[in-house]
Amino acid sequence: AQSVSQHNHHVILSEAASLELGCNYSYGGTVNLFWYVQYPGQHLQLLLKYFSGDPLVKGIKGFEAEFIKSKFSFNLRKPSVQWSDTAEYFCAVKGRASGYSTLTFGKGTMLLVSP
Amino acid sequence: DGGITQSPKYLFRKEGQNVTLSCEQNLNHDAMYWYRQDPGQGLRLIYYSQIVNDFQKGDIAEGYSVSREKKESFPLTVTSAQKNPTAFYLCASSITENTEAFFGQGTRLTVV
Repeated sequence: AQSVSQHNHHVILSEAASLELGCNYSYGGTVNLFWYVQYPGQHLQLLLKYFSGDPLVKGIKGFEAEFIKSKFSFNLRKPSVQWSDTAEYFCAVKGRASGYSTLTFGKGTMLLVSP
Repeated sequence: DGGITQSPKYLFRKEGQNVTLSCEQNLNHDAMYWYRQDPGQGLRLIYYSQIVNDFQKGDIAEGYSVSREKKESFPLTVTSAQKNPTAFYLCASSITENTEAFFGQGTRLTVV
């Protein structure tokens, strides 16, 4: 069975600080990887995705993530966070299970950016 | 305006009653999913459906039931057998099984 582990449950940063949120997955086969964001009071939105090709993926709002296959990792980064980045971030993996692909989420990381 | 519509946004029910949560999509997506979100637990998969008239149990299917009679609709019934039904329920869909999922606004169910 596939699983996703997010390293930090809560992260507090000041504006302009750099961000890195860790994500490791457990699955031996081909995977698609995702980061979703949930802003306060809003629905879950796709931040970026990796299916194949360049392991450094750029998403919306200046976010990027790097897929390191040997480490089973897909860490999210942003060079300089803003107050508006305050949200909950979820890493997710989609692999093959029983003939279908199911999307498995980590437990999420709550990011609080102070102005 | 294309998207995924979940209704209602808030739902209150008495313990022991079954309740059905609606999820409709007009994106022409084949796959649909139901997740439950609890604080500190992330999203956990309840049921998913890759095509009409077919669905599979997820990680926490006990106490829930679904149907997929139409491509655009995937209602979730929370039965009285679900021991801890109070939660935030999210419906999602994807073009096919192997693409990203898009989410609805969610339904917050409170059972008293």
